Amino acid sequence: KAGVTQTPRYLIKTRGQQVTLSCSPISGHRSVSWYQQTPGQGLQFLFEYFSETQRNKGNFPGRFSGRQFSNSRSEMNVSTLELGDSALYLCASSAMTASSYNEQFFGPGTRLTVL
Amino acid sequence: QKEVEQNSGPLSVPEGAIASLNCTYSDRGSQSFFWYRQYSGKSPELIMFIYSNGDKEDGRFTAQLNKASQYVSLLIRDSQPSDSATYLCAVKWGGGADGLTFGKGTHLIIQP
Repeated sequence: KAGVTQTPRYLIKTRGQQVTLSCSPISGHRSVSWYQQTPGQGLQFLFEYFSETQRNKGNFPGRFSGRQFSNSRSEMNVSTLELGDSALYLCASSAMTASSYNEQFFGPGTRLTVL
Repeated sequence: QKEVEQNSGPLSVPEGAIASLNCTYSDRGSQSFFWYRQYSGKSPELIMFIYSNGDKEDGRFTAQLNKASQYVSLLIRDSQPSDSATYLCAVKWGGGADGLTFGKGTHLIIQP
């Protein structure tokens, strides 16, 4: 079974631009979560989608948004990029079934650099 | 504020010894606990999870959970140089759809 895929793997943008990152979960997984990882703050939760609905959102400004499609693929968007948005953005998928403990499996990440 | 604390290390352990990694968390309402391993430049890889008090073993790894004391630990037996990585503790809080809250990780070095 293929793992979580994320595109693109690397991205360089300038301040003020916007960016869209894509995530395809493991086949059959219906939940997608997004995280930001930086050396200073570690891994921080951005938001989670399940069945095209955002179920919860972490403590990030409204510039960070996302969505999920009917095939469970998800995108996240960051508008008006700031230097501090430079980070590794990780997507994790989860089966979200009654018999699972919602283990999350991470994709390889998208490394975003804002200049 | 729901927090997960880990000693950042580095924790240096000789090859073949037992590596012990610890994690404490702030909220008694927590539900499930996860250990991830992250090699430099790679994404986190799930090692194991635990949700009830006691020990859970999987190969060379044992997770230990003590909800009364609010800590969870990971033991790695017969440590190998390939175990050198950052180990992340993550907690899923109960009662909602929150994502995982991660500690900042412990950097483990296995010395040959």
